[in-house]
Amino acid sequence: DGGITQSPKYLFRKEGQNVTLSCEQNLNHDAMYWYRQDPGQGLRLIYYSQIVNDFQKGDIAEGYSVSREKKESFPLTVTSAQKNPTAFYLCASSRSGSNTGELFFGEGSRLTVL
Amino acid sequence: GNSVTQMEGPVTLSEEAFLTINCTYTATGYPSLFWYVQYPGEGLQLLLKATKADDKGSNKGFEATYRKETTSFHLEKGSVQVSDSAVYFCALSDLSNFGNEKLTFGTGTRLTIIP
Repeated sequence: DGGITQSPKYLFRKEGQNVTLSCEQNLNHDAMYWYRQDPGQGLRLIYYSQIVNDFQKGDIAEGYSVSREKKESFPLTVTSAQKNPTAFYLCASSRSGSNTGELFFGEGSRLTVL
Repeated sequence: GNSVTQMEGPVTLSEEAFLTINCTYTATGYPSLFWYVQYPGEGLQLLLKATKADDKGSNKGFEATYRKETTSFHLEKGSVQVSDSAVYFCALSDLSNFGNEKLTFGTGTRLTIIP
């Protein structure tokens, strides 16, 4: 079955540590996205990528980094510079240029900073 | 910039009640509008969409009509079930960036249906 796989589902981190969240898709989608979800704030876009080896900052990119070396993979690193990293992180993908607005989401990764 | 405002929750209803979740938007141009649903412990799924004014999106008994004159896209269902308990997100598309599917989401409305 095609879909998006995020791992790990739950992650605990000590302050000052970087952590990388994995996102893999087998939908052959060009575009991939990372969103952050906080209670009462909905989803906010962190980074997105329309094509391999290219990515753009979203609305809240500070303290995060990404790479897009393969079409299938779009890992997100939460760095120690992110002041409030505890959140639910959602990865998504879409067919670039499809103009359908439909995103396909993974099941999310919940990061807790201790 | 674009923005989406949806009614704050949580919303609690009895089974078979009528549901309305309000959503209004601000956007330049002519965005497409969406409702996504998030069931407990899962990612978001597209529930329905409408791409132009007066379009009605529908799925699983849910409906929403794209009202340009009132900049609204309210979600309705005539008779809710316990299985509809979830968080519902209204969203609009921003296709200004080379057709990239950047969506702007509302804050979400948590719906709980009581048997």
